[in-house]
Amino acid sequence: SQTIHQWPATLVQPVGSPLSLECTVEGTSNPNLYWYRQAAGRGLQLLFYSVGIGQISSEVPQNLSASRPQDRQFILSSKKLLLSDSGFYLCAWTGTGVSPLHFGNGTRLTVT
Amino acid sequence: ILNVEQSPQSLHVQEGDSTNFTCSFPSSNFYALHWYRWETAKSPEALFVMTLNGDEKKKGRISATLNTKEGYSYLYIKGSQPEDSATYLCAFAYNTDKLIFGTGTRLQVFP
Repeated sequence: SQTIHQWPATLVQPVGSPLSLECTVEGTSNPNLYWYRQAAGRGLQLLFYSVGIGQISSEVPQNLSASRPQDRQFILSSKKLLLSDSGFYLCAWTGTGVSPLHFGNGTRLTVT
Repeated sequence: ILNVEQSPQSLHVQEGDSTNFTCSFPSSNFYALHWYRWETAKSPEALFVMTLNGDEKKKGRISATLNTKEGYSYLYIKGSQPEDSATYLCAFAYNTDKLIFGTGTRLQVFP
């Protein structure tokens, strides 16, 4: 069966520090991969998605970036965090065609 | 900008009550409509994925309908139970790769 791992679960980082969140999927190949963020009092906002290795689409301009170095690995990064980057980050994957999103357990990021 | 709206924002009902929520989405470039349940301290779980106008899906006491021509979907819960308490999210897919989420309806069921 397929599983998705996301870490860390919680993170407190100072403004201006770098960020790296990692997500890996097991039990499937060539998944579509996504990073979503839920800011306080708001819905899930799509940040990045990827349909293959090295293929990244960005949905909103920001100081975050994403990379997909391997088929089942998706990384969210920042060189310098802002206060507004605080939120709950969710990684997710889908198969091809019409299929539901399968989410990781999320990372609660607090930028101080 | 594609907009997905859900109403109401929150709902408090008594155990045993039936309830329903609305999801409104663009009626053009429709590919699929998803419903998810998001319980506190867990990650969202898929309830339904619907693609055809007039589609109806059911899972236990929860069901959903879809109208792609007018751009709305309803989620129904029959005989609500405290364990149904969660945020219910809908998401509009306008191609195979992208899902745009609404802000959710937060349901609390009191015993």
